[in-house]
Amino acid sequence: EDQVTQSPEALRLQEGESSSLNCSYTVSGLRGLFWYRQDPGKGPEFLFTLYSAGEEKEKERLKATLTKKESFLHITAPKPEDSATYLCAVQADQAGTALIFGKGTTLSVSS
Amino acid sequence: NAGVTQTPKFQVLKTGQSMTLQCAQDMNHNSMYWYRQDPGMGLRLIYYSASEGTTDKGEVPNGYNVSRLNKREFSLRLESAAPSQTSVYFCASSVDSRNQPQHFGDGTRLSIL
Repeated sequence: EDQVTQSPEALRLQEGESSSLNCSYTVSGLRGLFWYRQDPGKGPEFLFTLYSAGEEKEKERLKATLTKKESFLHITAPKPEDSATYLCAVQADQAGTALIFGKGTTLSVSS
Repeated sequence: NAGVTQTPKFQVLKTGQSMTLQCAQDMNHNSMYWYRQDPGMGLRLIYYSASEGTTDKGEVPNGYNVSRLNKREFSLRLESAAPSQTSVYFCASSVDSRNQPQHFGDGTRLSIL
């Protein structure tokens, strides 16, 4: 069965304290891995797509990396406005068009 | 840039009532999706439409129907609402159904009493 597991469930950081969020997956035939940011009361906002192991994408303080079993979202020198829930999703051969979502990591950054 | 627009934003229904959730996108995307998000469960796919004129079931289709009205619009209908359908419903769209990121609306918060 295709699965996506995110850890930790919650993460509290001080402003400027860098850290990483983990997304591990077990799927048959990864077609793409997607990172989203979700603010309270809002829909998920697309951040990155990764397609193959070794691929990296960056946007401001965020950097996403991909291996054959997991992805990391690295947050460098976070600011309070980075506080949100970060969702990981995969699209796999057997799941067809569906995105399989993890339950998310809720990040809180305090000043 | 409206992106994906969902209406209504909030709704309260009584058990057994029916309702249609509306979704429209202005990005000229071919594929559209309906998800529900429940605490501790993550987002789960209800139905999707890979292209205009087609619809398919997702992971949790029971109790729902959909209509792809045209390329822009994709509606979700609850024929006889049940308390288990209390959730936040998100509509999303993508260029096509393979390997492309999906872009989400801000959701409809539905409570069924």
